[in-house]
Amino acid sequence: GQQVMQIPQYQHVQEGEDFTTYCNSSTTLSNIQWYKQRPGGHPVFLIQLVKSGEVKKQKRLTFQFGEAKKNSSLHITATQTTDVGTYFCAGNKNTGFQKLVFGTGTRLLVSP
Amino acid sequence: DTGVSQDPRHKITKRGQNVTFRCDPISEHNRLYWYRQTLGQGPEFLTYFQNEAQLEKSRLLSNRFSAERPKGSFSTLEIQRTEQGDSAMYLCASSLATAYSGANVLTFGAGSRLTVL
Repeated sequence: GQQVMQIPQYQHVQEGEDFTTYCNSSTTLSNIQWYKQRPGGHPVFLIQLVKSGEVKKQKRLTFQFGEAKKNSSLHITATQTTDVGTYFCAGNKNTGFQKLVFGTGTRLLVSP
Repeated sequence: DTGVSQDPRHKITKRGQNVTFRCDPISEHNRLYWYRQTLGQGPEFLTYFQNEAQLEKSRLLSNRFSAERPKGSFSTLEIQRTEQGDSAMYLCASSLATAYSGANVLTFGAGSRLTVL
C-alpha cells in the first residue's frame, strides 16, 4: 500500500537555526498537505501543494512539491520556540479519492 | 460553530469492555474521517464518510470496530471487546468536499484518548 516516510524523525535546533524536513511517498501523489501538531495537541493544517515543482511560502516556512510529485519538503528559516511540534506531510494518491495518508512525522524541538 | 468536537476526551477501560466515541463535525462539512494515532506515529486512516455513506474502511479496522454516521451529521466509533493494543488517540476530522475541489483540507478534533488496562 501507499507509504509516506519523513526524515529526520527528530531534530533539536537552537533558536535562530534553520530546519528542514523531507517527505517521500512510495507512489505519485495528486497533491500533498502539511500539518503541524503541537505537543499534546491535534494536527492543524498548514498548506496544500498541487502542482509539480510548486513552491509556497508562509512567512518563515517554505514548502516545495517535487517535480515527480513523489516528494516534498518543509524548510523553516530562523526557527523560534513557537515552531516546536511535529510536522506531518499527508498525501492523496488520486484526485477525488480522499484517503489522506499521513507521513511518519518529524518532531522539532527548539531550544532558546 | 466551534470546530470539530469529540467526546469523551479520555476513556480508561478494562480489556474486554466495549467503548464508543462520538464526533460532531463542523456543521457545513460533508466528509467525516476517523484516524488513530499512537505515540510518536502519524495518524493512521481508519474510515471516512461522505454524508451518511461509509466510503472507505482501512484493513486496520478489524471486525471489532464499527463506525456510523446515521444522519450525515455526528458519527460514532465503537470498539467491541477492547484489547490493550487498541490504546491510542482516536482522532476525528471533517472537511468540505465539492465536485470542483481536487483535495480537501481536514479539520481535526482534539481527539479521544483510549487507555485499555
